[in-house]
Amino acid sequence: GQNIDQPTEMTATEGAIVQINCTYQTSGFNGLFWYQQHAGEAPTFLSYNVLDGLEEKGRFSSFLSRSKGYSYLLLKELQMKDSASYLCAVRDQASGGSYIPTFGRGTSLIVHP
Amino acid sequence: GAVVSQHPSWVICKSGTSVKIECRSLDFQATTMFWYRQFPKQSLMLMATSNEGSKATYEQGVEKDKFLINHASLTLSTLTVTSAHPEDSSFYICSARTGLGNQPQHFGDGTRLSIL
Repeated sequence: GQNIDQPTEMTATEGAIVQINCTYQTSGFNGLFWYQQHAGEAPTFLSYNVLDGLEEKGRFSSFLSRSKGYSYLLLKELQMKDSASYLCAVRDQASGGSYIPTFGRGTSLIVHP
Repeated sequence: GAVVSQHPSWVICKSGTSVKIECRSLDFQATTMFWYRQFPKQSLMLMATSNEGSKATYEQGVEKDKFLINHASLTLSTLTVTSAHPEDSSFYICSARTGLGNQPQHFGDGTRLSIL
């Protein structure tokens, strides 16, 4: 299984940049996902990293270091609508060859004017 | 693309009632579907994983006789909460994925279940 750790809550100012960290411990790492979840809604997919490095997608970027068991999600030019919970999910190879993702507790990001 | 429809979105019912939640992949074939429950300000807790045509694999601590999962086709999975009690009140979310590779999960909109 995995042990996934993210900060519980972060606050940032509209227009700024924020970095949300995620550390994990797993025995058979097979990819890391970031999801955004607004209150009362289902998560939506943001990014996927399986190799080391930075993946950029518009205002959002995600970084992975497998040797350090570390990832971050970088949000630029913050907007009020970015206030949400950001979930880090790590997938490893479970018994039988299936790939089961496990979610962290999520980081609640509050963007204020 | 990759739309997952979950129905109903909200259920309020009396204790002892059984409730069925449907999860459909609308524009892709879902080899695997996942069922989660989420309490307020908590993470998604995986309940079970189901592959089309086979029995669901339940996570430790999840009662398979309480939470019946059926994945009869590549586009439909159902979760039935049998004899629901107030402690079963939660936000239930399904997700679907195609293949075993690096495909992300696509989530339904969730079902808020309230047992009185």
